[in-house]
This record gives sequence, structure tokens and C-alpha cells, in this order.
Amino acid sequence: QTVVTQEPSFSVSPGGTVTLTCGLSSGSVSVSYYPSWYQQTPGQSPRTLIYSTNIRSSGVPGRFSGSIVGNKAALTITGAQADDESVYYCMLSIGSGNYVFGGGTKLTVL
Amino acid sequence: VQVVQSGAEVKKPGSSVKVSCKATGGSFSSYSFNWVRQAPRQGLEWMGEIIPTFGTANYAQNFQGSVSITADKSTSTVYMELSSLRSEDTALYFCAVGSAFDHWGQGTPVIVSS
Repeated sequence: QTVVTQEPSFSVSPGGTVTLTCGLSSGSVSVSYYPSWYQQTPGQSPRTLIYSTNIRSSGVPGRFSGSIVGNKAALTITGAQADDESVYYCMLSIGSGNYVFGGGTKLTVL
Repeated sequence: VQVVQSGAEVKKPGSSVKVSCKATGGSFSSYSFNWVRQAPRQGLEWMGEIIPTFGTANYAQNFQGSVSITADKSTSTVYMELSSLRSEDTALYFCAVGSAFDHWGQGTPVIVSS
């Protein structure tokens, strides 16, 4: 069974830069997994930030960017703001039309 | 595209639940409709998807045999039916539309309790 790994928590100072990662328990993440990233605040539906590794969804601020760093997918927030405090999920396409989410990273901005 | 899901459900263990997802403002048949589950205080879990124009659903291994996703083109509505409900199925069920899960519904709470 495919397990997608994310940091359970991370913190960043307002105005700072943070990179969250998304890996595989076995193997490397590449663009072939079409990694995507979602933001969820308490009580809200998830919001799509990034898809196909680095394409920003409509209306997503430019401070959010996606990439592959080493053997993981990465979400970088440059110039973090207070309302970026959320849980961030990555998702990988693992083939045959199947998808797997990571466990999520709770980001604190303080 | 706007995505609207049906309302909250309370079900007995062993019964079934059918949740609907209606998408307006786009090309219904060509969209990918995905179902995502979120148990209380837990993460997101992909359950399966359907593209109405193809009609055949695709399910996550964990949900094979317990979930059925169907599409009604006449009403632009997709349905997710979960059978043999257990308390562990108590969760918020989201419909996400688009190949990049671009548009999310508001979520449908399903409570399974005797």
C-alpha cells in the first residue's frame, strides 16, 4: 500500500519562507505523480493551491509555489501571512486513476 | 463551477447512505467527480471518482466493495453510496470536481450511530 508522508507540523514567522514536503514511504516522488497541494482551515472545505507539481490554481496568490526537491514534492510559501495558518495536504496520482493523500502538515504562523 | 452536496445524514449501523453532488456552471459530463472522506479530526482520504461521459467509476482499494459512485446526466448529479455502515464511517464526505480537484462541495456529514 502506498503511503504518502508529510511533516506533521511546521511553524514559520510572519513574512518568512517555509517549504513543506511530500514524500513516499518507499521510492521517490517525481512529476509523474502529478503532485497537488490543498489548504484546509478549520470548518472549511479544502482549497486547491497547486496541481501537476507547480501549476497554481485560479486565484491562488503567487507566494505559493510547487516544485520537486530531491525525491519529494514541495510546497513553498514565500512571505507567509497570518491567514496561511492551515493544514496543508499533498496528494499523489499513483496510477490507474487512483490517488493518495498525505497525512497533512499543520502550519503555524507565529 | 458550483458544487452543492446533499445535507447531513444520521444512519444506523449496517444500513446504507447515498450522498449527492450537483455541479452547475460547467460541462457536467466531461468533469471528473471525486469523493473524499474526512473522519473527525483526521486527514483526507480519496474514495473514488467517476467521469460521467465514461460512466465507469474507479475506487480506492480501501473502499472496493463498499462504495458505489454513479452519475445521472439528466440532472447533472453524481451520487456516492456507502453500504454496510459502521461507526468508523462517521465522517465528512466531500465531492471534488475537476481533474485537479478544482471545485469542492461544502461537505456532507454522515453520522453512524445506533
